[in-house]
Amino acid sequence: DVKVTQSSRYLVKRTGEKVFLECVQDMDHENMFWYRQDPGLGLRLIYFSYDVKMKEKGDIPEGYSVSREKKERFSLILESASTNQTSMYLCASSSPGTGTRYEQYFGPGTRLTVT
Amino acid sequence: GDSVTQMEGPVTLSEEACLTINCTYTATGYPSLFWYVQYPGEGLQLLLKATKADDKGSNKGFEATYRKETTSFHLEKGSVQVSDSAVYFCALSGFLSDYKLSFGAGTTVTVRA
Repeated sequence: DVKVTQSSRYLVKRTGEKVFLECVQDMDHENMFWYRQDPGLGLRLIYFSYDVKMKEKGDIPEGYSVSREKKERFSLILESASTNQTSMYLCASSSPGTGTRYEQYFGPGTRLTVT
Repeated sequence: GDSVTQMEGPVTLSEEACLTINCTYTATGYPSLFWYVQYPGEGLQLLLKATKADDKGSNKGFEATYRKETTSFHLEKGSVQVSDSAVYFCALSGFLSDYKLSFGAGTTVTVRA
């Protein structure tokens, strides 16, 4: 089974801190994604990556950056955390292989609180 | 752009009741459609999918049929269990979406014994 792991389940940070959220997948997937999940808004895409060192902005990239130095690892960075970034963050991965092209596999999520 | 609208919750049911969660979409071309489920404390997992018109996806007693004429993909289950309590998300991947998914807002379902 595909496994996507995230470095923390719960995280509490102070306003202005630099925050790193790590995601690792073990299925050699090319595509990786970062979403934030907020009640009533569903999942919104922050950034995604097709391959190592490649990244594309999603729908809400402001205040975030990403890094993908290795195929299995995709990091989300909050350069200067703010209270409106308090949310659940979900990482996902997928492969463009036939039949599973759009199926994404999700990690358990990191609930980030910024105080 | 592509978008998904699903019925608002929360929905509370008794065990063995029928469940329907409505989902409609807007997309160009021929999208693929998905239902994801999120159990308490977990990430999302794929429940079922359909990749072309009139396809029916099914899994764990849940079904959804891709209706192009009504641009809908409603989720149904004939007899729910307490273990079906979760948040359900409808999603689509558009023809030119570069593997991205567009999600609905999610519907929280609680099944009482």
